[in-house]
Amino acid sequence: QKEVEQDPGPLSVPEGAIVSLNCTYSNSAFQYFMWYRQYSRKGPELLMYTYSSGNKEDGRFTAQVDKSSKYISLFIRDSQPSDSATYLCARRLLQGGSEKLVFGKGTKLTVNP
Amino acid sequence: EAQVTQNPRYLITVTGKKLTVTCSQNMNHEYMSWYRQDPGLGLRQIYYSMNVEVTDKGDVPEGYKVSRKEKRNFPLILESPSPNQTSLYFCASSFDPGEKLFFGSGTQLSVL
Repeated sequence: QKEVEQDPGPLSVPEGAIVSLNCTYSNSAFQYFMWYRQYSRKGPELLMYTYSSGNKEDGRFTAQVDKSSKYISLFIRDSQPSDSATYLCARRLLQGGSEKLVFGKGTKLTVNP
Repeated sequence: EAQVTQNPRYLITVTGKKLTVTCSQNMNHEYMSWYRQDPGLGLRQIYYSMNVEVTDKGDVPEGYKVSRKEKRNFPLILESPSPNQTSLYFCASSFDPGEKLFFGSGTQLSVL
C-alpha cells in the first residue's frame, strides 16, 4: 500500500466555491504533513504544513489532519481562478535510516470564473 | 533571490545520446533530490544526496546517474536515454530531507 493516496480529480468548481482536497495515509509513525501547489509548467511550492491533528489556517486555506481515520484535507474558501493548479499532499517518512517526503499523485483543480 | 535553477527547460534528444541536466541551488542546502513526474504516477524520487559526495538511490534510479562534487550542484546524467525516460524532471533542495523542499522549474525531456 502506497504511503499516501490522493483523490486524482480532476476537480472543477465555480469561483467562490469551498473546495475540499483529500489524502489518506497508511502509516501512523510520523505526523508531519504538507500541501504543495503546482501551477502548470512550474515546480511545486509549499502551501501549508501541519504537525498534528486538528486544523491549521492560513488566509483562505485550512489544512486538517484526522489521525483516527488517517485522513488529511485541504480546504479552500472563496476559491479564485488563481487557485487553479494541481495540489499535492506529502508526508514525512523514515526510510532506510533517513527521512524523506513522499508525495500523493496530485489533484488538478480548476476554478471557473 | 533564493532559488533552485535547472537547465535546460526543454530537451529533445534521441535514444542512446548521453545527456546531463544541471541543477544548482543558492541556499546552502545540504539535501538535494531529483524527481520525475508522469501523468497518473505523480512525483517519484530518482536519486538524492544528503551532502557532498553522499548520494543514494530513490524509488526509480534505473537508467540515471548523479554526482555531488559541490554543495550547490547536483547534475542528473542519462548515459543512454530511452523513450521511457521521457518525462518532466524536477530538482529540489532543502536543509533537511524531511523539511520544506524548494523545487526548480522543471525540465521537460523527450527521448525519441
